[in-house]
Amino acid sequence: EPEVTQTPSHQVTQMGQEVILRCVPISNHLYFYWYRQILGQKVEFLVSFYNNEISEKSEIFDDQFSVERPDGSNFTLKIRSTKLEDSAMYFCASKGRLRSAGGREQFFGPGTRLTVL
Amino acid sequence: QKEVEQNSGPLSVPEGAIASLNCTYSDRVSQSFFWYRQYSGKSPELIMSIYSNGDKEDGRFTAQLNKASQYVSLLIRDSQPSDSATYLCAVKINIGGTSYGKLTFGQGTILTVHP
Repeated sequence: EPEVTQTPSHQVTQMGQEVILRCVPISNHLYFYWYRQILGQKVEFLVSFYNNEISEKSEIFDDQFSVERPDGSNFTLKIRSTKLEDSAMYFCASKGRLRSAGGREQFFGPGTRLTVL
Repeated sequence: QKEVEQNSGPLSVPEGAIASLNCTYSDRVSQSFFWYRQYSGKSPELIMSIYSNGDKEDGRFTAQLNKASQYVSLLIRDSQPSDSATYLCAVKINIGGTSYGKLTFGQGTILTVHP
Protein backbone atom coordinates (compact mmCIF):
# COMPACT_ATOMS: atom_id res chain seq x y z
CA GLU A 1 0.00 0.00 0.00
CA PRO A 2 1.42 3.43 -0.94
CA GLU A 3 2.54 5.52 2.00
CA VAL A 4 4.07 8.86 2.85
CA THR A 5 7.69 8.65 3.96
CA GLN A 6 9.74 11.19 5.91
CA THR A 7 13.41 11.65 6.69
CA PRO A 8 15.11 11.90 9.06
CA SER A 9 13.07 10.28 11.81
CA HIS A 10 14.88 12.37 14.42
CA GLN A 11 16.83 15.60 13.95
CA VAL A 12 18.78 17.30 16.71
CA THR A 13 20.04 20.81 16.04
CA GLN A 14 21.41 23.85 17.82
CA MET A 15 19.31 26.96 18.18
CA GLY A 16 19.83 29.28 15.22
CA GLN A 17 20.75 26.50 12.80
CA GLU A 18 18.86 25.72 9.62
CA VAL A 19 17.10 22.41 9.22
CA ILE A 20 15.45 20.75 6.23
CA LEU A 21 12.84 18.09 6.78
CA ARG A 22 12.09 15.85 3.85
CA CYS A 23 8.96 14.07 2.74
CA VAL A 24 8.03 11.81 -0.16
CA PRO A 25 4.26 12.02 -0.61
CA ILE A 26 2.14 9.25 -2.13
CA SER A 27 3.05 9.21 -5.81
CA ASN A 28 -0.20 10.26 -7.49
CA HIS A 29 -1.24 12.79 -4.84
CA LEU A 30 -1.54 16.46 -5.69
CA TYR A 31 -1.98 18.24 -2.35
CA PHE A 32 0.76 18.33 0.27
CA TYR A 33 0.77 19.51 3.84
CA TRP A 34 2.97 20.05 6.86
CA TYR A 35 1.61 19.80 10.38
CA ARG A 36 3.39 19.89 13.70
CA GLN A 37 2.64 18.52 17.13
CA ILE A 38 4.38 19.86 20.19
CA LEU A 39 4.67 17.19 22.87
CA GLY A 40 1.36 16.77 24.68
CA GLN A 41 -0.47 19.23 22.43
CA LYS A 42 -2.79 18.99 19.46
CA VAL A 43 -1.78 18.56 15.85
CA GLU A 44 -1.48 22.01 14.22
CA PHE A 45 -1.64 22.91 10.55
CA LEU A 46 1.38 24.74 9.15
CA VAL A 47 1.00 24.94 5.38
CA SER A 48 -0.64 23.42 2.33
CA PHE A 49 0.95 23.24 -1.12
CA TYR A 50 -0.76 22.68 -4.45
CA ASN A 51 0.28 23.22 -8.05
CA ASN A 52 3.78 24.25 -6.99
CA GLU A 53 2.73 27.01 -4.68
CA ILE A 54 1.56 27.61 -1.14
CA SER A 55 -2.25 27.55 -1.03
CA GLU A 56 -2.77 28.15 2.69
CA LYS A 57 -0.55 28.83 5.67
CA SER A 58 -1.10 29.33 9.37
CA GLU A 59 0.13 32.05 11.68
CA ILE A 60 2.84 29.66 12.83
CA PHE A 61 4.29 29.54 9.30
CA ASP A 62 6.24 32.80 9.45
CA ASP A 63 9.24 34.01 7.44
CA GLN A 64 11.48 31.44 9.10
CA PHE A 65 9.62 28.64 7.35
CA SER A 66 9.60 27.73 3.69
CA VAL A 67 8.46 24.78 1.61
CA GLU A 68 9.63 23.46 -1.69
CA ARG A 69 8.95 20.66 -4.11
CA PRO A 70 12.39 20.49 -5.74
CA ASP A 71 11.57 17.55 -8.00
CA GLY A 72 8.64 15.31 -8.85
CA SER A 73 8.77 13.34 -5.64
CA ASN A 74 10.20 15.26 -2.68
CA PHE A 75 8.46 17.89 -0.56
CA THR A 76 10.60 19.76 1.96
CA LEU A 77 10.10 22.03 4.95
CA LYS A 78 12.94 24.37 5.81
CA ILE A 79 13.31 26.23 9.06
CA ARG A 80 15.93 28.94 8.55
CA SER A 81 16.93 29.75 12.11
CA THR A 82 15.55 27.29 14.60
CA LYS A 83 14.24 28.34 17.99
CA LEU A 84 13.74 26.26 21.12
CA GLU A 85 9.97 26.44 20.61
CA ASP A 86 10.32 24.77 17.20
CA SER A 87 10.95 21.47 18.98
CA ALA A 88 8.06 19.23 17.93
CA MET A 89 7.04 16.33 15.74
CA TYR A 90 6.62 17.47 12.16
CA PHE A 91 4.23 15.49 10.00
CA CYS A 92 3.95 15.58 6.25
CA ALA A 93 0.61 14.60 4.71
CA SER A 94 -0.69 14.21 1.18
CA LYS A 95 -4.07 14.02 -0.51
CA GLY A 96 -5.18 12.84 -3.92
CA ARG A 97 -7.31 14.42 -6.59
CA LEU A 98 -10.55 15.73 -5.03
CA ARG A 99 -12.90 13.73 -7.24
CA SER A 100 -11.01 10.47 -6.92
CA ALA A 101 -11.94 7.77 -4.44
CA GLY A 102 -10.77 8.92 -1.04
CA GLY A 103 -9.84 12.26 -2.59
CA ARG A 104 -10.70 14.22 0.53
CA GLU A 105 -8.57 12.08 2.82
CA GLN A 106 -5.13 13.08 4.03
CA PHE A 107 -2.54 10.44 4.81
CA PHE A 108 0.24 11.22 7.22
CA GLY A 109 3.88 10.22 7.18
CA PRO A 110 5.62 8.81 10.26
CA GLY A 111 6.96 12.21 11.28
CA THR A 112 10.29 13.81 12.07
CA ARG A 113 11.03 14.56 15.69
CA LEU A 114 12.90 17.87 15.78
CA THR A 115 14.82 18.71 18.92
CA VAL A 116 16.31 22.19 19.19
CA LEU A 117 18.97 22.61 21.88
CA GLN B 1 -14.25 29.46 21.22
CA LYS B 2 -12.28 26.35 20.30
CA GLU B 3 -12.93 25.20 16.75
CA VAL B 4 -12.86 21.46 17.45
CA GLU B 5 -13.47 20.11 20.93
CA GLN B 6 -13.04 16.65 22.35
CA ASN B 7 -13.16 15.29 25.86
CA SER B 8 -9.50 14.51 26.58
CA GLY B 9 -10.44 11.53 28.76
CA PRO B 10 -9.03 9.15 29.58
CA LEU B 11 -11.92 6.95 28.57
CA SER B 12 -11.57 3.47 29.98
CA VAL B 13 -13.67 0.57 28.73
CA PRO B 14 -13.45 -3.19 29.27
CA GLU B 15 -12.47 -5.48 26.42
CA GLY B 16 -15.48 -6.33 24.28
CA ALA B 17 -17.44 -3.20 25.21
CA ILE B 18 -18.46 -0.32 22.98
CA ALA B 19 -16.29 2.79 23.18
CA SER B 20 -18.01 6.06 22.33
CA LEU B 21 -15.92 9.08 21.39
CA ASN B 22 -17.40 12.50 20.81
CA CYS B 23 -16.40 15.68 19.03
CA THR B 24 -18.06 19.04 18.54
CA TYR B 25 -17.06 21.75 16.11
CA SER B 26 -17.87 25.42 15.91
CA ASP B 27 -17.98 26.27 12.21
CA ARG B 28 -21.32 25.54 10.55
CA VAL B 29 -19.83 25.38 7.06
CA SER B 30 -17.49 22.54 7.97
CA GLN B 31 -17.59 20.00 5.19
CA SER B 32 -15.51 16.95 5.97
CA PHE B 33 -14.89 15.07 9.17
CA PHE B 34 -12.23 12.54 10.00
CA TRP B 35 -11.21 10.28 12.83
CA TYR B 36 -7.55 9.49 13.23
CA ARG B 37 -5.96 7.08 15.68
CA GLN B 38 -2.59 8.03 17.15
CA TYR B 39 -0.48 5.64 19.14
CA SER B 40 2.04 7.20 21.52
CA GLY B 41 4.98 8.62 19.59
CA LYS B 42 3.46 7.75 16.21
CA SER B 43 1.71 9.67 13.48
CA PRO B 44 -2.06 10.02 13.00
CA GLU B 45 -3.58 7.09 11.14
CA LEU B 46 -6.85 7.66 9.30
CA ILE B 47 -9.58 5.27 10.39
CA MET B 48 -12.83 6.92 9.28
CA SER B 49 -14.11 9.78 7.18
CA ILE B 50 -17.68 11.06 6.99
CA TYR B 51 -19.16 13.84 4.90
CA SER B 52 -22.95 13.67 5.20
CA ASN B 53 -25.42 13.38 8.06
CA GLY B 54 -26.06 9.92 9.45
CA ASP B 55 -24.00 6.85 10.18
CA LYS B 56 -21.12 5.30 8.31
CA GLU B 57 -19.89 1.87 9.26
CA ASP B 58 -16.54 0.23 8.54
CA GLY B 59 -15.89 -3.02 10.36
CA ARG B 60 -15.98 -2.40 14.10
CA PHE B 61 -16.05 1.38 13.61
CA THR B 62 -19.11 3.58 13.11
CA ALA B 63 -18.90 7.31 12.55
CA GLN B 64 -21.97 9.43 13.18
CA LEU B 65 -22.45 12.98 11.94
CA ASN B 66 -25.12 15.49 12.92
CA LYS B 67 -24.44 18.80 11.20
CA ALA B 68 -27.41 20.54 12.82
CA SER B 69 -25.94 19.85 16.24
CA GLN B 70 -22.36 20.26 14.97
CA TYR B 71 -21.48 16.92 16.42
CA VAL B 72 -19.52 13.94 15.17
CA SER B 73 -18.87 10.72 17.05
CA LEU B 74 -17.00 7.46 16.70
CA LEU B 75 -18.21 4.16 18.07
CA ILE B 76 -15.83 1.25 18.43
CA ARG B 77 -17.61 -2.07 18.89
CA ASP B 78 -16.00 -5.10 20.52
CA SER B 79 -13.13 -2.94 21.81
CA GLN B 80 -9.74 -4.62 21.96
CA PRO B 81 -6.66 -3.72 24.03
CA SER B 82 -4.97 -2.88 20.70
CA ASP B 83 -7.54 -0.08 20.28
CA SER B 84 -5.91 1.74 23.20
CA ALA B 85 -4.66 4.98 21.68
CA THR B 86 -5.51 8.65 21.34
CA TYR B 87 -8.36 9.31 18.92
CA LEU B 88 -8.20 12.59 17.05
CA CYS B 89 -11.20 14.30 15.52
CA ALA B 90 -10.28 16.44 12.52
CA VAL B 91 -12.49 18.83 10.61
CA LYS B 92 -12.02 20.52 7.27
CA ILE B 93 -13.35 24.01 7.77
CA ASN B 94 -14.08 26.44 4.96
CA ILE B 95 -13.27 29.95 6.02
CA GLY B 96 -13.90 32.71 3.54
CA GLY B 97 -13.92 30.57 0.44
CA THR B 98 -11.95 27.71 -0.99
CA SER B 99 -10.10 25.51 1.42
CA TYR B 100 -7.30 23.35 0.08
CA GLY B 101 -7.84 20.81 2.77
CA LYS B 102 -6.46 22.33 5.94
CA LEU B 103 -7.49 20.10 8.82
CA THR B 104 -8.24 21.45 12.26
CA PHE B 105 -7.71 18.88 14.99
CA GLY B 106 -9.20 18.46 18.41
CA GLN B 107 -6.90 17.73 21.32
CA GLY B 108 -7.75 14.03 21.18
CA THR B 109 -9.40 11.54 23.51
CA ILE B 110 -7.23 8.95 25.21
CA LEU B 111 -8.90 5.54 25.08
CA THR B 112 -7.79 2.67 27.28
CA VAL B 113 -9.28 -0.79 26.73
CA HIS B 114 -8.51 -3.06 29.65
CA PRO B 115 -8.59 -6.86 29.45
